[in-house]
Amino acid sequence: DAGVIQSPRHEVTEMGQEVTLRCKPISGHNSLFWYRQTMMRGLELLIYFNNNVPIDDSGMPEDRFSAKMPNASFSTLKIQPSEPRDSAVYFCASSLRGPEAFFGQGTRLTVV
Amino acid sequence: SQQGEEDPQALSIQEGENATMNCSYKTSINNLQWYRQNSGRGLVHLILIRSNEREKHSGRLRVTLDTSKKSSSLLITASRAADTASYFCATDYGNNRLAFGKGNQVVVIP
Repeated sequence: DAGVIQSPRHEVTEMGQEVTLRCKPISGHNSLFWYRQTMMRGLELLIYFNNNVPIDDSGMPEDRFSAKMPNASFSTLKIQPSEPRDSAVYFCASSLRGPEAFFGQGTRLTVV
Repeated sequence: SQQGEEDPQALSIQEGENATMNCSYKTSINNLQWYRQNSGRGLVHLILIRSNEREKHSGRLRVTLDTSKKSSSLLITASRAADTASYFCATDYGNNRLAFGKGNQVVVIP
């Protein structure tokens, strides 16, 4: 298996633009997580899906952030409009019932 | 949510030496995990210890858990240059949602 696949690996965008991050979880995994990593705040859970249904989105910082999982093999995290403070590395992770999470390589987002 | 905290934050050792990192957490847990992150990469699961376990080994890794002190330690024996990375502890606060600590940066000097 190729593991969790995220795209793009790097994204540079101007403030106010819409940004869409993509994730393909490991096939057969039923849980998907979006995390954000910054120097100041470390790793934070943004949203958690189970069987494609959002279960906990309490970590989503603002209404500018939204996430979808239209099917078991694809999820998106959208920021609209983006702001410089959204600059971070965004990770997608998936798991199969158990607590061990498998992380993608991350998307480094820079908003200028 | 729970938050693990590692101590110390940064560690620089010679190849062959042992590296020890500590982690504390605030509330009761089902399990505690350790992950490694190489620079610019995603996190990789290393080892999981359940709340009813006190010690666990995996290769050169040794994890201890003291639930009475709400703390865990990760020991890497006979370190190698390839062990240079950041190490994070993570606690599961339900439904496999993880709360991560700030991480320990370990540099192994060849």
